Amino acid sequence: AQSVTQLDSQVPVFEEAPVELRCNYSSSVSVYLFWYVQYPNQGLQLLLKYLSGSTLVKGINGFEAEFNKSQTSFHLRKPSVHISDTAEYFCAGTSYNQGGKLIFGQGTELSVKP
Amino acid sequence: NAGVMQNPRHLVRRRGQEARLRCSPMKGHSHVYWYRQLPEEGLKFMVYLQKENIIDESGMPKERFSAEFPKEGPSILRIQQVVRGDSAAYFCASSPGTGGTNSPLHFGNGTRLTVT
Repeated sequence: AQSVTQLDSQVPVFEEAPVELRCNYSSSVSVYLFWYVQYPNQGLQLLLKYLSGSTLVKGINGFEAEFNKSQTSFHLRKPSVHISDTAEYFCAGTSYNQGGKLIFGQGTELSVKP
Repeated sequence: NAGVMQNPRHLVRRRGQEARLRCSPMKGHSHVYWYRQLPEEGLKFMVYLQKENIIDESGMPKERFSAEFPKEGPSILRIQQVVRGDSAAYFCASSPGTGGTNSPLHFGNGTRLTVT
């Protein structure tokens, strides 16, 4: 069965520092991976997605993620964070025959301090 | 172009009452998904519907929960005889196609259900 694991529940960083939010997946079938951001009391907004092709995926707000098949990872990175990046981040995956039935990780709370 | 609209934003029910959560998908979207987010957890898939059809309800609790997406009007998630454990945020997402890959999901802002 497919599963998605986010290794850190909370990540505090200072403004303008780099950040990496970790995500690992397990699956025996073709996998599609996503990162979503959730601001307080709001829905989820898609940051980026990996479907196929280049393993380095660039998304909105300066975020990028790298698909690593050998390590079954899809870590999210940003070279310099802003206060406004403070939010909950969710990694999610699905397989080719599951469509929008996403499996979500537990979430990582990113807290950016001045 | 309005996004996915969910109402109410907040819903308080006493134990034993019924909760009705509504979701209007984005214009042109005919696929609707419901997810539940329990405190301190990620989202869990509940049900996938197309107009007038339930496609996949593998994530729905066997009792008290039901969902519909009629030909006209919003999708409804109905919880009968609510219990404290039903307290959660319920998110609706829509897509023009089967979702996930070429048709990423668009999420609403959720309905936060509190059972007292």
